[in-house]
Amino acid sequence: EVQLVESGGGLVKPGGSLRLSCTASGFTFSDAWMSWVRQAPGKGLEWVARLKSKLNGGTTEYAPTVKDRFTISRDDSENTLYLQMHTLKTEDTAVYFCATGVGDSTGAFYFDYWGQGTLVAVSS
Amino acid sequence: SSVLTQPPSMSVAPGQMARISCGGDYIGTYSVHWYQQKPGQAPVLVIYYNNDRPSGIPGRFSGSNSGNTATLTISSVEAGDEADYYCQVWDSSSDHPGVFGGGTKLTVL
Repeated sequence: EVQLVESGGGLVKPGGSLRLSCTASGFTFSDAWMSWVRQAPGKGLEWVARLKSKLNGGTTEYAPTVKDRFTISRDDSENTLYLQMHTLKTEDTAVYFCATGVGDSTGAFYFDYWGQGTLVAVSS
Repeated sequence: SSVLTQPPSMSVAPGQMARISCGGDYIGTYSVHWYQQKPGQAPVLVIYYNNDRPSGIPGRFSGSNSGNTATLTISSVEAGDEADYYCQVWDSSSDHPGVFGGGTKLTVL
């Protein structure tokens, strides 16, 4: 059974930093393309970042709203995905989900398994 | 970058059919995926590649995609289908490739 468990959320002041973790089990983590998706309170889903498997180049992509502030990374030996967040803004307040994804040669990509999320609140 | 437009809400009686639209320029040229999210829970994939169902998703869920509109259809809606539904595409040519629609809240009367 695929399990994704996020941790590391909490209350942080504007301009602060936070690192989220997502511990995976039930599948071969090193082969997985992993993503972070967030959801502000009462709002819709927003894709944040994607990290391909090392076998597929380990490349990263970011939403423009977080580019240059957030860094997605992985530790395949620990089956863990990370999201390092710097220069946090009030608009970054959201539940952050990690998700596995499936892509193909046409460029299509979807999120097949999701964690339960961790809440990040940015407020003074 | 792609913009996907969904109706904010819709209501349907039990046993009736629900059709949730997802509009976007030339969306028919993309693969569209759909997620169901119930309050306080993580999203669940219900349709991928326009009309494929993951294992465990009832056959009442189906999808279509053509032109500028993709549609998620739930035939014979049940009370347990009440949820928010999101469409999603991946636009590799965009600087914001991961795109979700704004979501549709489906209420079962």
